[in-house]
Amino acid sequence: DVKVTQSSRYLVKRTGEKVFLECVQDMDHENMFWYRQDPGLGLRLIYFSYDVKMKEKGDIPEGYSVSREKKERFSLILESASTNQTSMYLCASRRQVSSYEQYFGPGTRLTVT
Amino acid sequence: AQSVTQPDIHITVSEGASLELRCNYSYGATPYLFWYVQSPGQGLQLLLKYFSGDTLVQGIKGFEAEFKRSQSSFNLRKPSVHWSDAAEYFCAVGGTNNDMRFGAGTRLTVKP
Repeated sequence: DVKVTQSSRYLVKRTGEKVFLECVQDMDHENMFWYRQDPGLGLRLIYFSYDVKMKEKGDIPEGYSVSREKKERFSLILESASTNQTSMYLCASRRQVSSYEQYFGPGTRLTVT
Repeated sequence: AQSVTQPDIHITVSEGASLELRCNYSYGATPYLFWYVQSPGQGLQLLLKYFSGDTLVQGIKGFEAEFKRSQSSFNLRKPSVHWSDAAEYFCAVGGTNNDMRFGAGTRLTVKP
C-alpha cells in the first residue's frame, strides 16, 4: 500500500512565523502535490513537483514556496504566515506514468493566530 | 479549463436508503474521472475511477458510478447506505497532464 505521511496533524503558529509542512511518500512516486482545503471550495492546488528539484505553480501559489531535494520528500513553506493561511493542507503523490490517481496524506490542520 | 461542479453541498439520507451524489464536469478532451471520500479528520481515499471502457464502474465499499458523456456527468451511487458512509465526497477530473480539479465536495449525513 502507498503511504503518504505528513509531519503534523495539527499546527498552531503566530502571524509572521516561517512555517514548514513536510510530506513523505514511500512508493518512489515521481509526482507530488500540495493542496489546501477550505469549506465550500474543495481542494485547490498550491504547488506540484514532477520530480526532484522540479516544481510548478498551481492555482494559488502566492505566499507559499516548496522544496523537493529528495524524491520521497516534498516540503511546503509559508515564508511569513498570515491568518488567511489558516486551513487544512493535504499532500498527495502519484506515479508519473500510471492511472493518474493521487494518493493522499492525512492532512495538516494549520491555525495561524 | 477543466472544472467540476457538485451541486449538492449537503445530503442527508436514512440508513439503508439508496444514495446518489451528483457530479458534472467540464473538460476539453477525454476526461479521467475520480470519486474520493474523506472521513472526518482524514485524508482522501479513492473510491473509484473511470478512464475508458465500460461507463459503469465499480469501486470499493459497494459504490459505483456511471459516466455519461452526453450529460458531462459522473454520478456516484450506492444501493444501501450504512452509517459508516457518513463523510465528505469529492469528485475530480483530470487528464494526461498533471492537473486535477476537484469539486467543492458533498457532505453526507446518515440518519439512523
